Amino acid sequence: AQTVTQSQPEMSVQEAETVTLSCTYDTSESNYYLFWYKQPPSRQMILVIRQEAYKQQNATENRFSVNFQKAAKSFSLKISDSQLGDTAMYFCAFMKTARGSGAGSYQLTFGKGTKLSVIP
Amino acid sequence: NAGVTQTPKFRILKIGQSMTLQCTQDMNHNYMYWYRQDPGMGLKLIYYSVGAGITDKGEVPNGYNVSRSTTEDFPLRLELAAPSQTSVYFCASSSSRNPSYEQYFGPGTRLTVT
Repeated sequence: AQTVTQSQPEMSVQEAETVTLSCTYDTSESNYYLFWYKQPPSRQMILVIRQEAYKQQNATENRFSVNFQKAAKSFSLKISDSQLGDTAMYFCAFMKTARGSGAGSYQLTFGKGTKLSVIP
Repeated sequence: NAGVTQTPKFRILKIGQSMTLQCTQDMNHNYMYWYRQDPGMGLKLIYYSVGAGITDKGEVPNGYNVSRSTTEDFPLRLELAAPSQTSVYFCASSSSRNPSYEQYFGPGTRLTVT
């Protein structure tokens, strides 16, 4: 079974500064996806960024980027130029990709989340 | 295109009551999922479905039932509600045609059992 660990329950950052959220995972799989989801107070789960394990290049989406270290099983999220709207819970999630095994193989395993507060 | 919709948004149940949480998606996704999120925790999978007529258990299925008679709908049934089922429930869907199997989530249902 896969496990996802987020060691920072809460973090804060000044507006316009940069912050990094940590995530480590444990798996014996070789093919998988990693995701960061954002959950603002509205509760809606919003996909921030995803990374395919077979790609060495780190994914980027505008102000969001990841540092994917496959050997270390680490997947951190960097938010640059933090904005007030970035205040939310952030969840790291793992998905193995066992083709032909049905939807259950594509279930997401979530960490407990990091609560990020952006301070004006 | 509404995506994934869930009803109701909030519900309070008494112990022993039953209810159905509704989930509908209009993206023609073949895979659908039900998760629960307890306070301070990530989401955990309750049940999932690979298509109409096919469902299977996830990590925490006890106390719940599902059905999938159409591609669009995936209702979650709670029988004999217990305080341990107080949680926020999320429905999600994805497509096997999307190589990343990205899941799209509904807005959630907050359920309190007292």
